[in-house]
Amino acid sequence: NAGVTQTPKFQVLKTGQSMTLQCAQDMNHNSMYWYRQDPGMGLRLIYYSASEGTTDKGEVPNGYNVSRLNKREFSLRLESAAPSQTSVYFCASSESGGTSDEQYFGPGTRLTVT
Amino acid sequence: AQSVSQHNHHVILSEAASLELGCNYSYGGTVNLFWYVQYPGQHLQLLLKYFSGDPLVKGIKGFEAEFIKSKFSFNLRKPSVQWSDTAEYFCAVNALSGGFKTIFGAGTRLFVKA
Repeated sequence: NAGVTQTPKFQVLKTGQSMTLQCAQDMNHNSMYWYRQDPGMGLRLIYYSASEGTTDKGEVPNGYNVSRLNKREFSLRLESAAPSQTSVYFCASSESGGTSDEQYFGPGTRLTVT
Repeated sequence: AQSVSQHNHHVILSEAASLELGCNYSYGGTVNLFWYVQYPGQHLQLLLKYFSGDPLVKGIKGFEAEFIKSKFSFNLRKPSVQWSDTAEYFCAVNALSGGFKTIFGAGTRLFVKA
């Protein structure tokens, strides 16, 4: 039982390049999330998927797109990377998205945009 | 808009000292409250949560937190810290009307000196 896995662990991009961050969970959870973590700002929600087939914007969606490929997988795409997107990205999942649900986090992807 | 404030960004303690990390939120309605911890090199994981009932909540590894509704606070405590408690601690709030949008505080980095 791997929990939540993310690839890659580290990535360096040049401004304007694109990439996709992959996330998968094996806990049969319905809801999945993408956050970014910046120093002094905690975790901020980029996008979430309440259930398979749905996605919604979070607090900081600009410059990102997401795809809920199936129940297990939720990817985050940067179409044209900018230095402001340098951050640590976390994927998370929860059983049903209920407000008292615990979220389970992946190990994170450290992205640097030069 | 909801917000979560963690007053201390960095805390340094000696082993056996008592710990209290402050967390205040700004939301007048019913909330669910969480403390997550990120040990060095590990995933974020849940320490404890409050969603109803006894406002004094006990979590893993001897941590507890008290929900004081009148003060909009959910402070984390541990009577005697250990070197292994060195980590970053995040307070998080999910309002019942906030759906899937958990708001995280900026985090407190705790360093425990052996």
